[in-house]
Amino acid sequence: KAGVTQTPRYLIKTRGQQVTLSCSPISGHRSVSWYQQTPGQGLQFLFEYFSETQRNKGNFPGRFSGRQFSNSRSEMNVSTLELGDSALYLCASSLANSDTDTQYFGPGTRLTVL
Amino acid sequence: DAKTTQPTSMDCAEGRAANLPCNHSTISGNEYVYWYRQIHSQGPQYIIHGLKNNETNEMASLIITEDRKSSTLILPHATLRDTAVYYCIVRGLNAGNNRKLIWGLGTSLAVNP
Repeated sequence: KAGVTQTPRYLIKTRGQQVTLSCSPISGHRSVSWYQQTPGQGLQFLFEYFSETQRNKGNFPGRFSGRQFSNSRSEMNVSTLELGDSALYLCASSLANSDTDTQYFGPGTRLTVL
Repeated sequence: DAKTTQPTSMDCAEGRAANLPCNHSTISGNEYVYWYRQIHSQGPQYIIHGLKNNETNEMASLIITEDRKSSTLILPHATLRDTAVYYCIVRGLNAGNNRKLIWGLGTSLAVNP
């Protein structure tokens, strides 16, 4: 099975712009979670989507949003970019059943805001 | 806040066993212990998880104490490619806030030749 894929892998934007990142989960996985990783804060949970619905949300401002499509692919959007949004954005997918819900991560998208 | 505490860094000689400890004294009965590792700037890689019994797979062994307040990840024969940051995480599996992974700072393991 192919792993989690994320596109693009690298992105450079300027302050005030918006950006959309894409995540394709492992085939058959229905849950997609997004995390932000920065050197100062480590990995922080953004949100989780399951069956096209946001099921869980972290403590990020409303500029960060996401969605999930019927094929379980997910996108996250960041509007009005700030310098502090520079980070590695990681997507993880899981089966979301009750016994084994291991999250498998993609390679990440490295976003640089200038 | 992370529900686990780990040493900041550890060293291990190549070919020897690496034993990485983790304290999770506030773990709940329905929470699992998960271990991931992250090699520089790559996505975290799942290693192993367990509830209360010891677990072993092709990558590592997980030893959980009887009171479940701590655990140890064992890499039986460490190689240079095992140099990474290792994260110990506790999480539940029910819908709700305890489904998300809350990451601490992990243990930076250096395997030396």
